[in-house]
Amino acid sequence: GIQVEQSPPDLILQEGANSTLRCNFSDSVNNLQWFHQNPWGQLINLFYIPSGTKQNGRLSATTVATERYSLLYISSSQTTDSGVYFCAVATSGGSYIPTFGRGTSLIVHP
Amino acid sequence: NAGVTQTPKFQVLKTGQSMTLQCAQDMNHNSMYWYRQDPGMGLRLIYYSASEGTTDKGEVPNGYNVSRLNKREFSLRLESAAPSQTSVYFCASRRTGWDYGYTFGSGTRLTVV
Repeated sequence: GIQVEQSPPDLILQEGANSTLRCNFSDSVNNLQWFHQNPWGQLINLFYIPSGTKQNGRLSATTVATERYSLLYISSSQTTDSGVYFCAVATSGGSYIPTFGRGTSLIVHP
Repeated sequence: NAGVTQTPKFQVLKTGQSMTLQCAQDMNHNSMYWYRQDPGMGLRLIYYSASEGTTDKGEVPNGYNVSRLNKREFSLRLESAAPSQTSVYFCASRRTGWDYGYTFGSGTRLTVV
């Protein structure tokens, strides 16, 4: 099946700093999402982005499908950004079943 | 406007006991999924239902059964719980088609002692 690798596995930031999280995948995908899992365990959908660029406030994401990677940008980080960020991809050949990466754990210190 | 609702939120079982985790969605989605999340492992697919009346195994189906009761509801059953099934369980749903994202429930934290 498709392999999903996220980097870095852990990230510690000071409030106000910027960061870039990366998701590499091993095959062409039709579906890619970024999720934030907050410290209470809730999975929050950030972006549905199989290709192109999207922005939502301080967060933006870019997927370059031809090169099989996606980037999540967090600008001016806040303590509420802490948690784990997951990339999940799916292909039509896999019945659109999402495969998750192992996540990037982000801690933002005040 | 609830999205995906999971019950219960927390559960403690003794080894060998059985229980059913409930999941319901009100978005008229065709596909539903059950995942488990273990520390450092990300989310792993247990079972999924591409449409009402169908179910298929995922990556880690052993020890579980599922029922797609109707379009709204997809339950996960542990017939004889084992400590290895201690985990956080997430249900998700999506509309059919390649260009739709997934919506997750808030999870069930299960401990088997």
